Amino acid sequence: QSVLTQPPSVSGAPGQRVTISCTGSSSNIGAGSDVHWYRRFPGTAPELLIYGNNNRPSGVPDRFSGSKSGTSASLAITGLQAEDEADYFCQSYDNNLSGPWVFGGGTKLTVL
Amino acid sequence: QVQLVQSGAEVKKPGASVKVSCKASGYSFGSYDINWVRQVTGQGLEWMGWMNPNTGNSGFAAKFQGRITMTRDTSIATAYLDLSSLRPEDTAVYYCATRDRNKFAAAASFDFWGQGTLVTVSS
Repeated sequence: QSVLTQPPSVSGAPGQRVTISCTGSSSNIGAGSDVHWYRRFPGTAPELLIYGNNNRPSGVPDRFSGSKSGTSASLAITGLQAEDEADYFCQSYDNNLSGPWVFGGGTKLTVL
Repeated sequence: QVQLVQSGAEVKKPGASVKVSCKASGYSFGSYDINWVRQVTGQGLEWMGWMNPNTGNSGFAAKFQGRITMTRDTSIATAYLDLSSLRPEDTAVYYCATRDRNKFAAAASFDFWGQGTLVTVSS
């Protein structure tokens, strides 16, 4: 069971907007720890998609955006494209755990 | 560009040990800490530990106490994860990833990742 909770799956049609939620607690996201998002295509290395809650590394299109409020965070993808179909993970830092960097269980995005 | 290339899949029997390698290129090996993260099938990602390639200093999650060793060979820019006393529940894909040690821990992300190494533990 992951420390951060994500929906197992989301889906959307091409061109639509989808959001993926990431729910934590007062010891991680709620404590002010940053949230980061990763994308992973099957069989490949995860890649950093959003860092520091809402910042995009160079090369990541502005269709991807992140937000954080209270003990939760969200990843939004607008103008959905077929190539966005992948697994998405959130990550943060927990003050109470000895393995402090924590992840969500991952969300499979299906483009219909 | 930064690249982390990991060793190939392994099959081990319960009680054995496994050593996974992670070869870095495209940057100065000591610039970032190397972290190890695993994903058991059907579960989320799990952080295991970190190592500073410059000093060899390391830290790890409590659940791996006594079973995990992280080392490096700076001459070939390669980090290693050793996991001993393997159990079937250690069957997972193991990833190495860089983390900027100059960032505050609560703000740190894992910026570059290896492709993953499947370790299967089965009798």
